[in-house]
Amino acid sequence: GESVGLHLPTLSVQEGDNSIINCAYSNSASDYFIWYKQESGKGPQFIIDIRSNMDKRQGQRVTVLLNKTVKHLSLQIAATQPGDSAVYFCAENRVFGNEKLTFGTGTRLTIIP
Amino acid sequence: DTGVSQDPRHKITKRGQNVTFRCDPISEHNRLYWYRQTLGQGPEFLTYFQNEAQLEKSRLLSDRFSAERPKGSFSTLEIQRTEQGDSAMYLCASSFDRFTDTQYFGPGTRLTVL
Repeated sequence: GESVGLHLPTLSVQEGDNSIINCAYSNSASDYFIWYKQESGKGPQFIIDIRSNMDKRQGQRVTVLLNKTVKHLSLQIAATQPGDSAVYFCAENRVFGNEKLTFGTGTRLTIIP
Repeated sequence: DTGVSQDPRHKITKRGQNVTFRCDPISEHNRLYWYRQTLGQGPEFLTYFQNEAQLEKSRLLSDRFSAERPKGSFSTLEIQRTEQGDSAMYLCASSFDRFTDTQYFGPGTRLTVL
């Protein structure tokens, strides 16, 4: 069935290094993609989004890349900090009647001091 | 705090009891969503409202679950005759009414059914 999945369940990165979290999606009709960060005991927090008519979008220390050819999404976090430790989810939304977000399982990012 | 709020934050109940959760969305947002999240998994969609109208319900929402948004502002999610499998984090989110409008999540209500 349709799904949004992540390649790696866990990722450990040295503080100050860059991190890349990957996500694959299976539905080529997906139009809108979002990255959320979730800390323990809290709800998902919006990080950055990208529409299907874009390949790249940058925020503060974060960049999202979208490759529609291979249906792949990535989140790059520059100069990681201890506060970046969390679970990161990619989610997709689709146009024309499907309003819900479909989330992947998530990747746990651990920043090593 | 002008974000999404949920009450209670934690609820422990015995199997067979009824529970009700409340969500207060961001005040200008037309849409309100309920999701369920189990340990180690991403949130799963349950239902959503456009103002007071409930427009979509997931197959996850059995007949023991009911959600309301009577005045198009806050929403309640009730679970009747709770089962141990209902133990999860129940998340509420709100947004404006375009599909690309960001859904902002509340802190969630963690339900434990004993």
